[in-house]
Amino acid sequence: GAGVSQTPSNKVTEKGKYVELRCDPISGHTALYWYRQSLGQGPEFLIYFQGTGAADDSGLPNDRFFAVRPEGSVSTLKIQRTERGDSAVYLCASSPEFTGELFFGEGSRLTVL
Amino acid sequence: AQKVTQAQTEISVVEKEDVTLDCVYETRDTTYYLFWYKQPPSGELVFLIRRNSFDEQNEISGRYSWNFQKSTSSFNFTITASQVVDSAVYFCALSERDSNYQLIWGAGTKLIIKP
Repeated sequence: GAGVSQTPSNKVTEKGKYVELRCDPISGHTALYWYRQSLGQGPEFLIYFQGTGAADDSGLPNDRFFAVRPEGSVSTLKIQRTERGDSAVYLCASSPEFTGELFFGEGSRLTVL
Repeated sequence: AQKVTQAQTEISVVEKEDVTLDCVYETRDTTYYLFWYKQPPSGELVFLIRRNSFDEQNEISGRYSWNFQKSTSSFNFTITASQVVDSAVYFCALSERDSNYQLIWGAGTKLIIKP
């Protein structure tokens, strides 16, 4: 379809492992956001890309989290040395520039055992 | 500091009833944007509306309406003649000027519409 695509939809990993979550935004959308949502809570901002550069990464919780968007389209969120507290649904959203209307993917549910 | 409060954790009504979801926000900025999103059981957040701080006109879209009151820092959402398909978690969110639409979200209100 033409929406935001996130893979994998579910990821179960062990504590200490490395994880990559992928986001394929809507074609032509220059803005891309990563959010994290824990059960029963609203999404929590992680990082925002405008084009290829991370315009705002103030929401990344620590240096185990990193995200890239090398060609200004697909983005990958990388989590090193995963911890149980990283378990959440990781949401990706894209937007036409400066509209504020975010189009979300269905999320990647990460479970760290 | 910015904050969004949705005091209603869960609301349950019978189909065809009207229901209002409350949203109260805090910001020091004079230019900001308010949003409502719907999250059905499938999990994908769906944009419903964006309002800027200079536009206090109420908005109506079909059975949905929004009441923005700057005096009380509220941006409430009403569904008229609710339907079972309206069952979802509804989030109110705020972004300030120059924040690149980094949204500050409320905790959400779970709306259950019973047939």
